[in-house]
Amino acid sequence: DAGVTQSPTHLIKTRGQQVTLRCSPKSGHDTVSWYQQALGQGPQFIFQYYEEEERQRGNFPDRFSGHQFPNYSSELNVNALLLGDSALYLCASSPSTGLTPYEQYFGPGTRLTVT
Amino acid sequence: AQSVTQLGSHVSVSEGALVLLRCNYSSSVPPYLFWYVQYPNQGLQLLLKYTSAATLVKGINGFEAEFKKSETSFHLTKPSAHMSDAAEYFCAVTSYGNNRLAFGKGNQVVVIP
Repeated sequence: DAGVTQSPTHLIKTRGQQVTLRCSPKSGHDTVSWYQQALGQGPQFIFQYYEEEERQRGNFPDRFSGHQFPNYSSELNVNALLLGDSALYLCASSPSTGLTPYEQYFGPGTRLTVT
Repeated sequence: AQSVTQLGSHVSVSEGALVLLRCNYSSSVPPYLFWYVQYPNQGLQLLLKYTSAATLVKGINGFEAEFKKSETSFHLTKPSAHMSDAAEYFCAVTSYGNNRLAFGKGNQVVVIP
């Protein structure tokens, strides 16, 4: 059973550019959350998708947007990149039903460097 | 809003000694609490969780944590540190129906031979 997968592993972009990160959830999971982890910090919640809609959002600007597809996979888009967007972006998936809807499984992350 | 506090960003422990990482939470509703471990260049792996059942929770790799409501704490312990325990550890909180984790800043654990 494949866990949460993310692509690409690493990415280097220039200020002002746009980036798309991708995530496939663990089998059986239908909810996807995205987190930003700056160097030396804990992960910060960006937003969560369920049934192809944004269900919750953290304190991030509109430059951060997302999408969820019918197969539950998800994309994170960041427009007008800033140097401060350099971070590890983590995707987590969880089931909406069952005994542990709150238990999130994390992918390996995408390391984004903005120069 | 829910939050957790982890003091002491770097923790050094001798091999074979007790590992103790402190986590205090703030939550206006009954919390669900988690400890995650992150190895270099990897994602987060769940060590253990508290979800309102037993207050003493056992996890993987010999770790355990105790939920103390009166102290709003969920400290992580391991009786004897191994070199393989060198990693970063994060405490996180959420609540029923929330499904959004709030993380602490983490503890970088260094194991000294």
